Amino acid sequence: GESVGLHLPTLSVQEGDNSIINCAYSNSASDYFIWYKQESGKGPQFIIDIRSNMDKRQGQRVTVLLNKTVKHLSLQIAATQPGDSAVYFCAEGHTGGFKTIFGAGTRLFVKA
Amino acid sequence: DAGVIQSPRHEVTEMGQEVTLRCKPISGHNSLFWYRQTMMRGLELLIYFNNNVPIDDSGMPEDRFSAKMPNASFSTLKIQPSEPRDSAVYFCASSLRSGTYEQYFGPGTRLTVT
Repeated sequence: GESVGLHLPTLSVQEGDNSIINCAYSNSASDYFIWYKQESGKGPQFIIDIRSNMDKRQGQRVTVLLNKTVKHLSLQIAATQPGDSAVYFCAEGHTGGFKTIFGAGTRLFVKA
Repeated sequence: DAGVIQSPRHEVTEMGQEVTLRCKPISGHNSLFWYRQTMMRGLELLIYFNNNVPIDDSGMPEDRFSAKMPNASFSTLKIQPSEPRDSAVYFCASSLRSGTYEQYFGPGTRLTVT
């Protein structure tokens, strides 16, 4: 069945360092991928998305990389800050559909 | 914009009672989603509305769960009767367009059924 999983459930980084959060997906039909950030007590917040016709997309301090060959997605956060501490979810879907499948999440701790 | 609004933020009820969760999506958004989040199962899609019409409710766990969207600015998720295993955080999200696009989540309702 469809599934989106994460390699690392927790990640601890030093403030100022770069963070890389990884995600594996299993549905070859997925062509749309999204990263969400969820802070404690809040709902998930959209960070960045990427469609399967791209392998890289950059936002403010964030970069998403997509490797369709190995069905792997990553989120890179540059110069990680304490405010980046949260749970990060990758999610997948496909154009023309509506259902977004969320992964289990990775908790990012930023040490000051 | 105020974002997606959910009420109540917290609900504690006894088993067997009816629970109604409310959601006001972002104005102009035509898609609305209800999710449930638990530690064990993560984020699960319960139901999806497009232009106020339920499109897919396959994620609704049982007949005890029902959802309505009487107009573009209001939706409810009802559980009757509630059970302890329904305890979770329930999120409402809206999206500007139908189809797979970024969703904007509300703050959630934390439901505890004792």
